Amino acid sequence: EVQLVESGGGLVQPGRSLKLSCLASGFTFSNYGMNWIRQAPGKGLEWVASISSSSSYIYYADTVKGRFTISRDNAKNTLYLQMTSLRSEDTALYYCARSVVARFDYWGQGVMVTVSS
Amino acid sequence: DIQMTQSPASLSASLEEIVTITCQASQDIGNWLAWYQQKPGKSPQLLIYGATSLADGVPSRFSGSRSGTQYSLKISRLQVEDPGIYYCLQGYSAPYTFGAGTKLELK
Repeated sequence: EVQLVESGGGLVQPGRSLKLSCLASGFTFSNYGMNWIRQAPGKGLEWVASISSSSSYIYYADTVKGRFTISRDNAKNTLYLQMTSLRSEDTALYYCARSVVARFDYWGQGVMVTVSS
Repeated sequence: DIQMTQSPASLSASLEEIVTITCQASQDIGNWLAWYQQKPGKSPQLLIYGATSLADGVPSRFSGSRSGTQYSLKISRLQVEDPGIYYCLQGYSAPYTFGAGTKLELK
């Protein structure tokens, strides 16, 4: 069974940093692209970043480019999102999701990030 | 960036009614379109991929279609478990973009 479990969220002050993790199981992690997608409270879905299976290709939304870094450790079956210079508008539930040919087929349950003083 | 214009924003329908939700892409995305259902407090679930292919385990009352750059999700007979928020996603090119969502309620 495919499982994606996010962790690392919490309350953080504006301008500070936070690192999210997503532990994958139930599939060969190194064969799949992975993504972070977020959802602000009461709002829709916003794609944040993608990374290919071997980390050769990385893409970011303009809203996070230069502040967030997506990475992965295939030996640990773990996806990461390093978030710096956090802003109040980064407050959201952050999902990790697996990529399969132009879609996100499995999603984690999400981890909440709240940016507030 | 590719914009996805989803309509309607909200919809109220009766049991067994046919429901249709549409997404208009701002440029050609081929069949790289997926549909998701999200229920309160839950992660989005994949319904349709490749514009018309049903994801594993999804009831056959859900179907997807394409006409040019317009994509539709159809629920042939609305059931009690179908209310939620539905999103389209273009997976053609980054930045990947979702539609704004359609909130579907039972009348």
